[in-house]
Amino acid sequence: QVQLVQSGAEVKKPGSSVKVSCKASGGTFSSHAISWVRQAPGQGLEWMGGIISIFGRTNYAQKFQGRVTITADESTSTAYMELSSLRSDDTAVYYCARSILSRYYDILSGYYNTWGQGTRVTVSS
Amino acid sequence: DIVMTQTPLSLSVTPGQPASISCKSSQSLLHSDGKTSLYWFLQKPGQSPQLLIYEVSNRFSGVPDRFSGSGSGTDFTLKISRVEAEDVGVYYCMQSIQLPPTFGQGTKVEIK
Repeated sequence: QVQLVQSGAEVKKPGSSVKVSCKASGGTFSSHAISWVRQAPGQGLEWMGGIISIFGRTNYAQKFQGRVTITADESTSTAYMELSSLRSDDTAVYYCARSILSRYYDILSGYYNTWGQGTRVTVSS
Repeated sequence: DIVMTQTPLSLSVTPGQPASISCKSSQSLLHSDGKTSLYWFLQKPGQSPQLLIYEVSNRFSGVPDRFSGSGSGTDFTLKISRVEAEDVGVYYCMQSIQLPPTFGQGTKVEIK
């Protein structure tokens, strides 16, 4: 059974960048998509963007356009989410989630059946 | 963005009693392929979200049959037929008919 293992907690200064990794253990990303969802302290879930790694196709929420970059390395079954120009309100737990796509080209066509354990990112001066 | 509105925001339930959560979307979630892009997740305390229900009413692998989903168009419901202690946490509905996928605010379920 595939598990998603994320990198460890990060503490960053405002204005800097953070890069979080998500490695699929026991499987690959082929025919799947990886999305990134964040959760600010005591808040709900917010979709940031995702990637269909076999095509390298990405989609981003407009809110994060220009600040977030999602990539994937099929050879290591690892996805990455880099968020730049960090602000204090970027403090959150960041989750990766894998979805099985019913339409191979459409990131919306799957459901998030596997989640990583989350990576806490704290932005503080 | 499609707005997902859940009610109630919190629920206190006696073990063995039923519970119901409503989720309304600001637009229809019916896809042209006939499927409806509405999902339910449970986030147990200190854990990552876990998928309960996909496409309105399909229980994900390993999900107990006391969980059921129903609805169509813009109105959806998650029901727990007999709440157990392990069901505590925050329940979220989510749509993925349109980018970006959006979640409801969450419904916190606790045991009396």
